[in-house]
Amino acid sequence: GAGVSQSPSNKVTEKGKDVELRCDPISGHTALYWYRQSLGQGLEFLIYFQGNSAPDKSGLPSDRFSAERTGGSVSTLTIQRTQQEDSAVYLCASSGPVSGNTIYFGEGSWLTVV
Amino acid sequence: GQNIDQPTEMTATEGAIVQINCTYQTSGFNGLFWYQQHAGEAPTFLSYNVLDGLEEKGRFSSFLSRSKGYSYLLLKELQMKDSASYLCAVRSNAGNNRKLIWGLGTSLAVNP
Repeated sequence: GAGVSQSPSNKVTEKGKDVELRCDPISGHTALYWYRQSLGQGLEFLIYFQGNSAPDKSGLPSDRFSAERTGGSVSTLTIQRTQQEDSAVYLCASSGPVSGNTIYFGEGSWLTVV
Repeated sequence: GQNIDQPTEMTATEGAIVQINCTYQTSGFNGLFWYQQHAGEAPTFLSYNVLDGLEEKGRFSSFLSRSKGYSYLLLKELQMKDSASYLCAVRSNAGNNRKLIWGLGTSLAVNP
């Protein structure tokens, strides 16, 4: 696609429910990043995928968080048993040689846990 | 450790020039990015420096000195719409992964 696409754009969920957030990167981009940003805070790295290499999961805050990237393209971030502190915007970004390795962000998925 | 430092807040006047500094200490270096983020929106790309020197793009310029671990973003002819957070990020080349290390951002307020 023309840009990084994320869905849903907004999600309100009850505490304890599972949520899935989807990211469709720019076509041809081999690197994909998930970040979390709480209101007024900086970007918190979650996970990084690069081609067929093993993902760098070092930023995932707990075992309730997981992510996968199928076929080297679309990625899904899953949060199990959501907690109120999970409320944030989840930003996906991608980069690749077709764009000189510049990183482009999607519009984010705004998650509110009530 | 690896870290990026930039001022938390800055204030400037419409029509003026402002320089936002960024210093970094990383285990490797493979480029420095500047992003602009308006409140409630995703970051948007402004500039990328991998070699020393000044890159100019319209009202915005970015400078890099790798030996000093230093960059700045220069904004000229400030407009009210330039009020935003400006994020500095360094691509380190640790191991086989290329992760970005992000600063916390500089919140710029442009006053009339």
